[in-house]
Amino acid sequence: QVQLVQSGAEVKKPGSSVKVSCKASGGTFSSYAISWVRQAPGQGLEWMGRIIPILGIANYAQKFQGRVTITADKSTSTAYMELSSLRSEDTAVYYCARTGEVQGPKGYYYYMDVWGKGTTVTVSS
Amino acid sequence: DIQLTQSPSFLSASVGDRVTITCRASQGISSYLAWYQQKPGKAPKLLIYAASTLQSGVPSRFSGSGSGTEFTLTISSLQPEDFATYYCQQLNSYPPGFTFGPGTKVDIK
Repeated sequence: QVQLVQSGAEVKKPGSSVKVSCKASGGTFSSYAISWVRQAPGQGLEWMGRIIPILGIANYAQKFQGRVTITADKSTSTAYMELSSLRSEDTAVYYCARTGEVQGPKGYYYYMDVWGKGTTVTVSS
Repeated sequence: DIQLTQSPSFLSASVGDRVTITCRASQGISSYLAWYQQKPGKAPKLLIYAASTLQSGVPSRFSGSGSGTEFTLTISSLQPEDFATYYCQQLNSYPPGFTFGPGTKVDIK
């Protein structure tokens, strides 16, 4: 059973960057995409982007374009999410999630079935 | 971008009640929709994908339906462990836009 283990909590200054890791254990890493989702305190879920490790291709939500970089290291089964130019509004729990797909009659149906426990990132001066 | 709305935002229900949550998309998304349950301090849990396919291990009291712009999540008989916040998510295949709805909190009456 695959598990996603995330790196520990971070406290960052405004304007700096943070890099969060997500290591997969117990299953196949490259066969799936890895998405990153964040949740600000008391707020809903926000999808940031995803990477397909086997292809090395990343897609980002428009809101985060230019500020987020998602990478993956197949040799260590680890995905990374780096967010730059941090501001207080980036204070949130950041989750990685395995993103699978099944083929349907009109295309691929995606889903996020395995999640990390989350990494708290606090941005404060 | 495709926007999702959920109704109600909050509902109060009793154990044994039948509960229905609606998710509406700003444009048609076929069946590219998933539902998640989240409890405080925990990661979301996948319940339903492809609008109506029950994730393995999820109790059969959960069901999903709909296509196009209107979707529903139904809990046939609410159990104590079901009190949580529920999110819909659209997963349009191209461009990849995996937007979440704002959530519906299900609380104990």
